Amino acid sequence: SAVISQKPSRDICQRGTSLTIQCQVDSQVTMMFWYRQQPGQSLTLIATANQGSEATYESGFVIDKFPISRPNLTFSTLTVSNMSPEDSSIYLCSVEETSWGSYNEQFFGPGTRLTVL
Amino acid sequence: GNSVTQMEGPVTLSEEAFLTINCTYTATGYPSLFWYVQYPGEGLQLLLKATKADDKGSNKGFEATYRKETTSFHLEKGSVQVSDSAVYFCALSSGSGNTGKLIFGQGTTLQVKP
Repeated sequence: SAVISQKPSRDICQRGTSLTIQCQVDSQVTMMFWYRQQPGQSLTLIATANQGSEATYESGFVIDKFPISRPNLTFSTLTVSNMSPEDSSIYLCSVEETSWGSYNEQFFGPGTRLTVL
Repeated sequence: GNSVTQMEGPVTLSEEAFLTINCTYTATGYPSLFWYVQYPGEGLQLLLKATKADDKGSNKGFEATYRKETTSFHLEKGSVQVSDSAVYFCALSSGSGNTGKLIFGQGTTLQVKP
């Protein structure tokens, strides 16, 4: 299974600033995903990031607020722009990898815990 | 649209008790179903999965059966341990042959007391 690391693991930021979260995978993967987990809530998909194409955003999420880069098959970044306290969440990246046969599994990184003051 | 509903927590049990966490779903087509677990301070891990009706996923003593007639995927374990204390998420994917977009339930916190 893929091993995923994220940086930073946590951060405390001031409102109005931006933070870029890095996601590194130990193998080449086509599909990467970014999720948000607000305090006490479930995970919500922000966007799907495939290498070589623009990220696809879910309803309620826009590129200006959450720009994503996917420069190669092992790396992606998510930027949380112009932050407000409502952006305080855990941000997780995940990758899809073939498990067995033609069936794929999704593996998650450890998450980045963001607090906005 | 697709959705997942889990029983509300927290669920508090004594060690060796029987566990059931209910999960029902709404989906078009034939989704794949998953249970993920998040231990304190750790990332999300896949616990088990089922890709078609009547499939039973199992891992670490946990089981869940894909029931299309009741649109359910309840998680069960015969004898819980303190180390099972975690948050459990039920999820579905409508992707065919791939996970694609995962839709998660709200999560159920399990606390197991010695």
